[in-house]
Amino acid sequence: DTAVSQTPKYLVTQMGNDKSIKCEQNLGHDTMYWYKQDSKKFLKIMFSYNNKELIINETVPNRFSPKSPDKAHLNLHINSLELGDSAVYFCASSRERYGNTIYFGEGSWLTVV
Amino acid sequence: AQSVTQPDIHITVSEGASLELRCNYSYGATPYLFWYVQSPGQGLQLLLKYFSGDTLVQGIKGFEAEFKRSQSSFNLRKPSVHWSDAAEYFCAVGVGAVKTSYDKVIFGPGTSLSVIP
Repeated sequence: DTAVSQTPKYLVTQMGNDKSIKCEQNLGHDTMYWYKQDSKKFLKIMFSYNNKELIINETVPNRFSPKSPDKAHLNLHINSLELGDSAVYFCASSRERYGNTIYFGEGSWLTVV
Repeated sequence: AQSVTQPDIHITVSEGASLELRCNYSYGATPYLFWYVQSPGQGLQLLLKYFSGDTLVQGIKGFEAEFKRSQSSFNLRKPSVHWSDAAEYFCAVGVGAVKTSYDKVIFGPGTSLSVIP
């Protein structure tokens, strides 16, 4: 079983649409993350949740809204998609908030046309 | 400001040759350092990490890295590269408000490795 799984893996959508990416981890971890990898492969943290509580929000446009229904799930909803939102979005998790190795999912390739 | 630099954007080596990927970090507190690998179309896999202790750390797939505090470096090495090592390699540092630990990871820009058969 995949430890950190994301769906969908590929998503092509038009500008202005609203879309969601789902993430689930079966590792029993308390902390989950969303990272964005742009076209130049630069990786940047977007959000982090610890036990369903938002703990890191890295100046991301408010069109991006994460939601954590329980500590095993962290979904990312994006409103009014823009061309610049095209990227690979990685979900990740770690056992606890501080000082633990972060494990990544396989990524969700979002293309906005 | 916290940052990670990887001076080499792209490196090409012949199969069987040795490899060294460079990484420098800027962080005022105890550095928690990582190397991740991303194969084409895949997610990130942790190769190795340094938290404390022996400055030479061993990882998976025959990789090792050496932490040098005086040079703020954490270079990744492999004595003999295999064709399957062709991938993107990311150095990263754990940072956070708590100086004795970290709660997020900042990545370098990555080094793309090509392997010639």
